[in-house]
Amino acid sequence: QLQLQESGPGLVKPSETLSLTCTVSGGSITSNNFYWGWIRQPPGKGLEWIGSIFYSGSTYYTPSLKSRVTISVDTSKNQFSLNLSSVTAADTAVYYCARRADYVWGSYPFDPWGPGTLVTVSS
Amino acid sequence: EIVLTQSPGTLSLSPGERATLSCRASQSVRSSYLAWYQQKPGQAPRLLIYGSSSRATGIPDRFSGSGSETDFTLTISRLEPEDFAVYYCQQYGRSPDPFGQGTRLEIK
Repeated sequence: QLQLQESGPGLVKPSETLSLTCTVSGGSITSNNFYWGWIRQPPGKGLEWIGSIFYSGSTYYTPSLKSRVTISVDTSKNQFSLNLSSVTAADTAVYYCARRADYVWGSYPFDPWGPGTLVTVSS
Repeated sequence: EIVLTQSPGTLSLSPGERATLSCRASQSVRSSYLAWYQQKPGQAPRLLIYGSSSRATGIPDRFSGSGSETDFTLTISRLEPEDFAVYYCQQYGRSPDPFGQGTRLEIK
């Protein structure tokens, strides 16, 4: 069964870069049909899609964060990563990684999800 | 970019009652690629419905989805105590893949 697990620092200073990794187990990240995504949720607020990556490297980002976000994939480690630069307190959130699928016969939304990791931006 | 608006913001009902949640898109959602998720405190969202009306694996049949184009509905036919949570819709037919702002379903 596919499982995802986020990891990275729980505390980041303002103006620095937030870096998180999602480790995929129980399946390969290089499948032709899967996109790997990052979603975040500020405390007490709703979900925000950050972006997604295909294993070949094609990326899609939400417009509001596009200038600060980079998502990359490391096929040798079966991982994908999120870098968010120039962070402020507004970037404090639980960050989730998840998989979505595109097949010839149809597309599927994010499932499964990792448990999430809280990142606090503070000096 | 598609914007999803969910209503109501909060829904107060009793166990056994029927819940109807709405998700409206600012543009037509391609191929009805609209999903519904349930989120409980401290947990990751759980996929309930995909393709507007298909239940995900293991989801009870009291959950049903309907709609097309710009108007979508999640119905819970008979509320169980474990159904009180926050529900989000998301379109995934065309990037970006935004979420609605959520509907909180609370016990009356």
